[in-house]
Amino acid sequence: DAKTTQPNSMESNEEEPVHLPCNHSTISGTDYIHWYRQLPSQGPEYVIHGLTSNVNNRMASLAIAEDRKSSTLILHRATLRDAAVYYCILRDLGFGNEKLTFGTGTRLTIIP
Amino acid sequence: ETGVTQTPRHLVMGMTNKKSLKCEQHLGHNAMYWYKQSAKKPLELMFVYNFKEQTENNSVPSRFSPECPNSSHLFLHLHTLQPEDSALYLCASSQEIGTGNTEAFFGQGTRLTVV
Repeated sequence: DAKTTQPNSMESNEEEPVHLPCNHSTISGTDYIHWYRQLPSQGPEYVIHGLTSNVNNRMASLAIAEDRKSSTLILHRATLRDAAVYYCILRDLGFGNEKLTFGTGTRLTIIP
Repeated sequence: ETGVTQTPRHLVMGMTNKKSLKCEQHLGHNAMYWYKQSAKKPLELMFVYNFKEQTENNSVPSRFSPECPNSSHLFLHLHTLQPEDSALYLCASSQEIGTGNTEAFFGQGTRLTVV
């Protein structure tokens, strides 16, 4: 399975944008890039996903490098409720590869 | 509320007990998953079901026995567990396997303590 690499932790000030990086240099052409986050004492929550083009939704934006070997999750205006562990995951389109494997993620701390 | 409901939320059991965890979803999904999350460790995939058929068993000990009677329900039967099995057990669902373009929805988890 293609792997992802994320920083262990990041800090950001409240009400400022946050850029969470993810490296996936061995990504294949059929891998979708998914982001999930896990708030304390809760199950993971879907944030956003994309294949090649940048994506926006109500929670965040996903910027994907042209060579697809890295991506960045952008929270436009961080709030205290965004403090969580953020996971970058590659999800293969092919049948039989639906493992949704989690790494250690990035623990995001929001400073009031 | 994600649409995936897990019961119970908390469970304490002795090593000789038999208990079951239940997961239910009415999102119309056909793939369901069990994950284990131990303290300060990444989520570990345990089992995957697609259209009620088990497609993944990630070398899980036989004291954990999954059951998927239909696409909406998933159980994890527990027996003769060890204290190191204490963890948060998470259920998830998504559209059927082979559609990497869809998201997974997770339940709140069952916090299991084995004494």
